[in-house]
Amino acid sequence: GDSVTQMEGPVTLSEEAFLTINCTYTATGYPSLFWYVQYPGEGLQLLLKATKADDKGSNKGFEATYRKETTSFHLEKGSVQVSDSAVYFCALITNSGGSNYKLTFGKGTLLTVNP
Amino acid sequence: DGGITQSPKYLFRKEGQNVTLSCEQNLNHDAMYWYRQDPGQGLRLIYYSQIVNDFQKGDIAEGYSVSREKKESFPLTVTSAQKNPTAFYLCASSITATSYEQYFGPGTRLTVT
Repeated sequence: GDSVTQMEGPVTLSEEAFLTINCTYTATGYPSLFWYVQYPGEGLQLLLKATKADDKGSNKGFEATYRKETTSFHLEKGSVQVSDSAVYFCALITNSGGSNYKLTFGKGTLLTVNP
Repeated sequence: DGGITQSPKYLFRKEGQNVTLSCEQNLNHDAMYWYRQDPGQGLRLIYYSQIVNDFQKGDIAEGYSVSREKKESFPLTVTSAQKNPTAFYLCASSITATSYEQYFGPGTRLTVT
């Protein structure tokens, strides 16, 4: 079945450091890929997405490129801020048959940014 | 403001009691979903509904039940048959079942002792 593997945390960085959170996937067909962010005590928010190979999703200084050849969708940000502290989830969506689309999540990576 | 509301934010129950978690959306979305989140395990799909009066089991439906009598409401009942009910429960919706983006509510943290 479909699966998403993302780097285990926690990740702790200083403000203005470079961030990379690795994500690789296994899927049949051609999935769309997403990064969601969860701030403490809240639900998930869509951060960015890419729907086909070589697409780059970007939002709030974060970006990720859909790499079909390496089945990866790594999240990057050039300069993190304290307010970026959150749990980040990589996810994919595929057609699970008929009209059913299923969202599969990675386990999440906790990022803490210190001032 | 359009969005998804889940209430209450924190819920406490005694073991052996059924409990119902509320999820309401005013986004006019057809599809709704319930996920369970446990530390270090990401999100797992419990039930989903593509349209009113229809719902399907997700990956971990045992011990849970749902109903979808109204488009805007998708309550989840955690029954006494659920062996490990303590978790963070997230409700989500999407425009249709084939829409890529799901919108999430703020979640309900259920503690069963």
